Amino acid sequence: SSELTQDPAVSVALGQTVRITCQGDSLRSFYASWYQQKPGQAPVLVFYGENNRPSGIPDRFSGSSSGNTASLTVTGAQAEDEADYYCNSRDISAYHWVFGGGTKLTVL
Amino acid sequence: QVQLVQSGAEVKKPGASVKVSCKASGYTFTSHYMHWVRQAPGQGLEWMGVINAGGGSIIYAQKFQGRVTLTSDTSTSTVYMDLSSLRSEDTAVYYCARDFSWNEKCWWFDPWGQGTLVTVSS
Repeated sequence: SSELTQDPAVSVALGQTVRITCQGDSLRSFYASWYQQKPGQAPVLVFYGENNRPSGIPDRFSGSSSGNTASLTVTGAQAEDEADYYCNSRDISAYHWVFGGGTKLTVL
Repeated sequence: QVQLVQSGAEVKKPGASVKVSCKASGYTFTSHYMHWVRQAPGQGLEWMGVINAGGGSIIYAQKFQGRVTLTSDTSTSTVYMDLSSLRSEDTAVYYCARDFSWNEKCWWFDPWGQGTLVTVSS
């Protein structure tokens, strides 16, 4: 399959930890990258690969991968983390790229 | 700093074509591929294709094969996305994004352009 599957929505209490997952066959071969998108804005890279956070991204964002599942964890979620999150990877054919359907994170 | 600046919003009639530009600055243009991604209103991100900005390989998503053309002008550090035979379902924000890759195992897009809204309406 060339699809990446994400839960449509998750919520987290302010200051608590939340994990956003992304499942797909291609993740057994390739790493995921993760993007945060706030309303009316372009996506922003927040994590990629095995353990890479771009400069300027808070260290409360971390990632992991196991089997066919990649995860983005927000430890100590803040109000400003409320956004849509998308995973991306090369597809199983290694010819195209594919995005997950996105997860809307609500910080309560 | 690295910047991708896209052209302005467009309104097109069904059946027409649109050409969106993405001008890069702050890095060696020919050293990176450039992806195009679109987002319909209220929907998720959809990968459209990628071009080697220095020339050479281009890959299109199957869904857009035959309707999309990606080109690169190294003299102005600009890539273009041309979408033809527009229909209402093509109404979306179109983004360019610079490609990075590592070890044929990991790819990431950073930064992204600000987006260009293309509205298809009769």
